This record gives sequence, C-alpha cells and structure tokens, in this order.
Amino acid sequence: NAGVMQNPRHLVRRRGQEARLRCSPVKGHSHVYWYRQLPEEGLKFMVYLQKENIIDESGMPKERFSAEFPKEGPSILRIQQVVRGDSAAYFCASSPGLYNEQFFGPGTRLTVL
Amino acid sequence: QKEVEQNSGPLSVPEGAIASLNCTYSDRVSQSFFWYRQYSGKSPELIMSIYSNGDKEDGRFTAQLNKASQYVSLLIRDSQPSDSATYLCAVNGGGQGGKLIFGQGTELSVKP
Repeated sequence: NAGVMQNPRHLVRRRGQEARLRCSPVKGHSHVYWYRQLPEEGLKFMVYLQKENIIDESGMPKERFSAEFPKEGPSILRIQQVVRGDSAAYFCASSPGLYNEQFFGPGTRLTVL
Repeated sequence: QKEVEQNSGPLSVPEGAIASLNCTYSDRVSQSFFWYRQYSGKSPELIMSIYSNGDKEDGRFTAQLNKASQYVSLLIRDSQPSDSATYLCAVNGGGQGGKLIFGQGTELSVKP
C-alpha cells in the first residue's frame, strides 16, 4: 500500500526559473495539504486542496505560488520566478477526511542558486 | 502567544528512561492532536493521534490530552537511542479548518 509520493526529491533551480513539485496522495485520500519547512524553522501550512478545489490557501504567498489538484493526476505546487528565499523542504500530506491523521510524503528539497 | 508551543530542548535522557514531551495550544476549540517524529533531513512520521481527553497508549508511547488546560503530552517509555529525533506537536480543527498547526518541535537525545 503506497504512501504519499512526491517528486522530484531534490530540485535545483536558478533565480527566476520555475519550480514544479508533484504529490500523489495515499490511494483513497481526497484531502491534500502542502507544508514548507525553511532551514532551522518549523513546518508551516501553505495550502489545502480537495479534488479540483482549493479549500484554504491562507498560508501561501500571494505572488508566484500556486497549487492545483486536478481530477486526474497528482497535486502540483508551482513556484514561478524562484528566489533564494524559496529554498526549503516542501512536504505534501494527505488524509481521508477533514480532521483525520495526515500522512506526509518524503518531501522535495528545493535549492535556488 | 504562539498557537502551539513546545519546549525546544534539547531534552537529554539516558537509555531506558522515560522521556516526557509537552505541548500547549491556544485555540480552545481544536479537535485533533498529533505527535510526529522527524529525523534530521527526513519527513515527519506520525506516531500518535489523540482526539479526546485522557490517555492513549501505543507500545512505548503514551499521549495525554487535557482540553481544559489546553495541554498535550507524549511519554516515551524505555527510551532508545533510535528515539533521538525532533518531536513535533500538531493541532487541527476548531477555527483553523483542516490544516495542521505545528509547534517548533522538541529535540530529544537519548544517551546510551
């Protein structure tokens, strides 16, 4: 039974490029969450999605960041025109329901040169 | 006041001892409470969930919840060096919807 999958595991981008992070939730889970962990900082919520809908994006920067969870395929977190401050570990989690346990993927470590 | 607070540690205990980790939260109507373990460079791993007042035991781990005091704790019995990690307290529900609010984490070191 596969857990949450994320790819790529490591991503290097130059300033100004785009980063696309993918997340496939646990089979049967319809709730997907993205979190960011900056170096030496705690985990911070970014966005919560259900299929084809953004439910809560209160933690996502207003500019350059977007997320989607299409009817078919993985959830995508997209960062346009990356800056050095975007360097972080980005984790995706999924759950079967609103207040249920959330299971985390291995994360994508983004490095911006 | 931070939404979820933990002692940052490091907390050092000898092998075989009980490690006690504490967490307080500010949103009185929070509904779900979790403890995650995170090894350096790895992703958070769920080790305990608790939804109602009282104790919940799973192997060497016991989670305790007191909603009146807005307090959650995790006890690790017979601590092993492999338990050395950062332990994250997370809260959701109430006014925050489905998202998890994490504490800063407590670094635990178990000395052989």
